[in-house]
Amino acid sequence: EPEVTQTPSHQVTQMGQEVILRCVPISNHLYFYWYRQILGQKVEFLVSFYNNEISEKSEIFDDQFSVERPDGSNFTLKIRSTKLEDSAMYFCASRPLGSATDTQYFGPGTRLTVL
Amino acid sequence: KQEVTQIPAALSVPEGENLVLNCSFTDSAIYNLQWFRQDPGKGLTSLLLIQSSQREQTSGRLNASLDKSSGRSTLYIAASQPGDSATYLCAHTTGNNRLAFGKGNQVVVIP
Repeated sequence: EPEVTQTPSHQVTQMGQEVILRCVPISNHLYFYWYRQILGQKVEFLVSFYNNEISEKSEIFDDQFSVERPDGSNFTLKIRSTKLEDSAMYFCASRPLGSATDTQYFGPGTRLTVL
Repeated sequence: KQEVTQIPAALSVPEGENLVLNCSFTDSAIYNLQWFRQDPGKGLTSLLLIQSSQREQTSGRLNASLDKSSGRSTLYIAASQPGDSATYLCAHTTGNNRLAFGKGNQVVVIP
């Protein structure tokens, strides 16, 4: 069964460094998402992406964040200058073209630790 | 602001008992409601999706109900097993297409 994959599974970085988290959505899906989960807290929406542009972003998704679909398969989240509070689990999700009532399929996540 | 609340935050039950997990939400204009399972340090596995026009969904030992008017959903797990130990997350989608999550019900099934 097709799955969303994410790399790396764990990323450790120094505060102020740039990180890129990678996701490979399910191949026929057209909507892509990033969510994050700070330890012990709720899963929070960051951004949605469709047709090569951001369709919606949350208040968390400030100028330090960017997303890109550099080729036909990858979907990346870049954090330009990491802060301690960016430490979290980051989940990528995708869904097929259809209605917003369709389920989103989640990847296994990347644990980001900022020191 | 879309608020999703899950009660209880944590519970332990002996193996074989039925589990009842509650989710409440403030936004009545939801498109669907979804229950996920999350194992420690892992990703999210979708268990059941209920469209806004539906009242319930069933999959094996799992049954989820939805009452939009009261802003509630309940996940029932029949005859619990130790392998059911996990955190169960409730989330809904609204017109802006984002999923709004609750904090989860952390379940331990005692053998």
